Amino acid sequence: AQKVTQAQTEISVVEKEDVTLDCVYETRDTTYYLFWYKQPPSGELVFLIRRNSFDEQNEISGRYSWNFQKSTSSFNFTITASQVVDSAVYFCALSGPARQLTFGSGTQLTVLP
Amino acid sequence: NAGVTQTPKFQVLKTGQSMTLQCAQDMNHNSMYWYRQDPGMGLRLIYYSASEGTTDKGEVPNGYNVSRLNKREFSLRLESAAPSQTSVYFCASRDQGVPQPQHFGDGTRLSIL
Repeated sequence: AQKVTQAQTEISVVEKEDVTLDCVYETRDTTYYLFWYKQPPSGELVFLIRRNSFDEQNEISGRYSWNFQKSTSSFNFTITASQVVDSAVYFCALSGPARQLTFGSGTQLTVLP
Repeated sequence: NAGVTQTPKFQVLKTGQSMTLQCAQDMNHNSMYWYRQDPGMGLRLIYYSASEGTTDKGEVPNGYNVSRLNKREFSLRLESAAPSQTSVYFCASRDQGVPQPQHFGDGTRLSIL
């Protein structure tokens, strides 16, 4: 069985602070894929990044960066210099053998002005 | 470019009523999915269809049926709605091959009284 744990239910920061969202996963597959999605207050789900199990390089995209560590089964997401528009629920997800996604319970990020 | 379209966006039902949620995608994707999102629980997979003509149960299939009408459309039916099925329902689709990100519709907010 696969499992994704996002232990941080809610995080609140002040604008311009850096914030890291944690994601820990469990899987028996040797090949797997990890994803992050953003769900703003409007409710839609927006794809942010995909990472495969063979690629442990960190990735940076503007103010967003992702740290994938197989040794600790973690795929953490950092927002640098947070902005109010970053306020959303962020989901980490893991692809299964039939390629369906197992989602974590999400982290509600609130960025205060 | 509509992507994934879900109808209706909102619905209120009485216990015992039946209803079909519609989903259509215009991206020529093979795989389609139905999830429900409940507070604090992330998204849970109800049913999925890896390709036209096939459907499989996900994590929480009880009380639901699905139909993959054609490559574009994947409907979710509640035969006898129960208050426990009050949720936000998301449909998603994905291209085949190396796990591509799933593209989500805007969701259907369903309340059962």
